[in-house]
Amino acid sequence: DIQMTQSPSTLSASVGDRVTITCRVSESINRWLAWYQQKPGKAPKLLIYKASSLESGVPSRFSGSGSGTEFTLTISSLQPDDFATYYCQQYDSYSPRTFGLGTKVEIK
Amino acid sequence: EVQLLESGGGLVQPGGSLRLSCAASGFTFSSFAMSWVRQTPGKGLEWVSVITSRGGKTFYADSVRGRFTISRDNSENTLSLQMNSLTADDTAIYYCAKGADWTAQSYFDHWGQGSLVTVSS
Repeated sequence: DIQMTQSPSTLSASVGDRVTITCRVSESINRWLAWYQQKPGKAPKLLIYKASSLESGVPSRFSGSGSGTEFTLTISSLQPDDFATYYCQQYDSYSPRTFGLGTKVEIK
Repeated sequence: EVQLLESGGGLVQPGGSLRLSCAASGFTFSSFAMSWVRQTPGKGLEWVSVITSRGGKTFYADSVRGRFTISRDNSENTLSLQMNSLTADDTAIYYCAKGADWTAQSYFDHWGQGSLVTVSS
């Protein structure tokens, strides 16, 4: 199976900070990568698909980049509503879809 | 508005069976692949199974293949997951997730609220 390595596992930041989360993949997946946000007790919510496409309704402060085996999620100016856990997920071909272990964004 | 409502979770003994259902509304159910994804504190998010829009293809994670069966009823807008030979490792919150298109190769653009399955004696 394709392995996903997210870093950091925890990130402490302040409102207004620029935040970057990295997802490294064990083999090339072109741009078949999605990012999700999850808050405690809630289901994940889609933010980004195809590495850099912003899901409808998601604020433009979220952006994604990368291709192949390295991807990033950037929050340009962290807002109070953004404190949550973020997951990357690959959906390359018919291989099992796999998720990263998550990055928890905490208040500094 | 897309809505996915899971039901059928609960407490089951090791070796037992359980059937989860997901009632879908707010979109043309028969046009989209559907998946089950589970989450545990220890293993994080784990994709379990996917079924294409018309039910023609199904895929499973190695951890559940041969024990779980995914199915759908497009006339009733319902997705199901039959889980047999359950073990403690199957304890998790199970989410119903809508694919972004009809294929098995897709991300998940909407998720249900989740249904807790606990396998314990």
